[in-house]
Amino acid sequence: QAQLQESGPGLVKPSETLSLTCIVSGYSISSDYYWGWIRQPPGKGLEWVGGSGSAYYNPSLKSRVTISVDTSKNQFSLKLRSVTATDTAVYYCARGHPYSGSYYYFDQWGQGALISVSS
Amino acid sequence: SYELTQPPSVSVSPGQTASISCSGDELGNKYAFWYQQKPGQSPVLVIYQDTKRPSGISERFSGSNSGNTATLTISGTQPMDEADYYCQAWENSVVFGGGTKLTVL
Repeated sequence: QAQLQESGPGLVKPSETLSLTCIVSGYSISSDYYWGWIRQPPGKGLEWVGGSGSAYYNPSLKSRVTISVDTSKNQFSLKLRSVTATDTAVYYCARGHPYSGSYYYFDQWGQGALISVSS
Repeated sequence: SYELTQPPSVSVSPGQTASISCSGDELGNKYAFWYQQKPGQSPVLVIYQDTKRPSGISERFSGSNSGNTATLTISGTQPMDEADYYCQAWENSVVFGGGTKLTVL
């Protein structure tokens, strides 16, 4: 069973770039799955950030997001530019199980990483 | 943009059946997915492609999807089922519902 683990700084300053890495174990990241990021502001619901491969991103975040996959390290990454306090959230990485073309659902999740944006 | 609407909260007595709805424009023409999230934990997939249960998920969980509404049904609800539940669908991007807090009392 695949295991996912987020890694990154817990605190980012406003206007800077949030960088997170998801290390995948027990499964090859080169397989026929997608790899995505979902976030959850404190006390609020889930918000999709984006996913790999098909280059689907949340339209409201698209201009600030880059998601990349490093097959040599079996990990994938998220970069979110020009962050503000509203980007404070628990960020989850997840495996996207395809079911129709490039559409997918999330069948494995990381434990989540709380990222705070503050000076 | 596409929206999925869930009731903020649902209450059920132990042993009874809980139903959580998820509404969206012509949602029945898409697949719906459901996730369970307990406090301090990551979400867990409980229903995929409207009606299917992943391995390890109790048979008490079932799903349906027709018209504009998808429904997650939990039969014989137990205290351990108390959690937040989120529906998800695709409309050119991933969309999550706002979540429903299920209280078992």
